[in-house]
Amino acid sequence: GQNIDQPTEMTATEGAIVQINCTYQTSGFNGLFWYQQHAGEAPTFLSYNVLDGLEEKGRFSSFLSRSKGYSYLLLKELQMKDSASYLCAVRGTRDTPLVFGKGTRLSVIA
Amino acid sequence: KAGVTQTPRYLIKTRGQQVTLSCSPISGHRSVSWYQQTPGQGLQFLFEYFSETQRNKGNFPGRFSGRQFSNSRSEMNVSTLELGDSALYLCASSLSTGSGDGYTFGSGTRLTVV
Repeated sequence: GQNIDQPTEMTATEGAIVQINCTYQTSGFNGLFWYQQHAGEAPTFLSYNVLDGLEEKGRFSSFLSRSKGYSYLLLKELQMKDSASYLCAVRGTRDTPLVFGKGTRLSVIA
Repeated sequence: KAGVTQTPRYLIKTRGQQVTLSCSPISGHRSVSWYQQTPGQGLQFLFEYFSETQRNKGNFPGRFSGRQFSNSRSEMNVSTLELGDSALYLCASSLSTGSGDGYTFGSGTRLTVV
């Protein structure tokens, strides 16, 4: 089976840095994805990691450690518009669908 | 290019009825996946189709079914609706199964069963 865990809720201050963790247990590994979902909207793709290390994209970075079954999404210079749910998803083997965690609801406060 | 289009956006149905939801993927994308999203469970996988073939199926009862057409458009059907089927149904398309590009999601169909 596959299991993906991430915190349910987090709160951070505008301008600060926040790290959202994701741990996973899967049969095989073919990539980890992060999505952002604003309330009432579709999830949108943020990042993809398949090798260990850090991937940086502007204010957002994502890290992967395959040996530890661990990833994090780092958001810098937080803005109010970053208030959203952040979904961690893993593909086990190549031809299996993405399995999603339940998401972390991030609230950015002034 | 146009995104993933799901119709209708909202539906209200009565228990016992059946419903059909439609999804048109991004042009050129041959894989379509369906997910059910509820506040308590997050995104739960329903089906994945590639070139008109169901490649994977999630742990949902037989009341949930789907298909994909030759133009990659997909439909899912839920028969004998139950109150617990109320959810946001999301369709996602990708170039192929196993794509590292991940999914592009549609805006979803919000189904309410009363």
